Amino acid sequence: DAKTTQPNSMESNEEEPVHLPCNHSTISGTDYIHWYRQLPSQGPEYVIHGLTSNVNNRMASLAIAEDRKSSTLILHRATLRDAAVYYCILMGNNDMRFGAGTRLTVKP
Amino acid sequence: ETGVTQSPTHLIKTRGQQVTLRCSSQSGHNTVSWYQQALGQGPQFIFQYYREEENGRGNFPPRFSGLQFPNYSSELNVNALELDDSALYLCASSAGTSGITDTQYFGPGTRLTVL
Repeated sequence: DAKTTQPNSMESNEEEPVHLPCNHSTISGTDYIHWYRQLPSQGPEYVIHGLTSNVNNRMASLAIAEDRKSSTLILHRATLRDAAVYYCILMGNNDMRFGAGTRLTVKP
Repeated sequence: ETGVTQSPTHLIKTRGQQVTLRCSSQSGHNTVSWYQQALGQGPQFIFQYYREEENGRGNFPPRFSGLQFPNYSSELNVNALELDDSALYLCASSAGTSGITDTQYFGPGTRLTVL
């Protein structure tokens, strides 16, 4: 039932930027795009969210395509602590539908 | 401000038994959601409660039920346990009812094993 598509896994080198893509071609006009990440043995944690405009916060940036059918989470300088499963989620009702996410590996 | 806590951390039950999992939300958070996460998969939404009323439900049978209390605590009850119920159960609290923009704060989860 997931409405998003993400690569299963990605690798990055420490201190380099990481671009995590997400496709959501069936997004509706009122759906917000949320990103959460789950570190090993922890519950998911909020990263960022947006509707139409690009968003920045202390953790990451979110770039949203003009047609909103895709988005990209950008970690500007990956650290070993960023190794996690990253979930892209559409929220338009009172529930969050997670897909399988992207497992990010950060190499020193 | 304390985070979201869950108890117990781990639990082992046998088929057919009943289980109650507990969650303590962040103070002031009126909304709590429960998720089931099977090994290697993303969390699956079970249901959400707002001010002690069910406010949304995922594709789970009625033997999954919940309660939310005025003191920001909540319970997930599962009756007639099946082997496939073995999973990590997560609760998440949020401050409002909009859902679509509220940040959810997750607990560490309860690992349930059904034998």
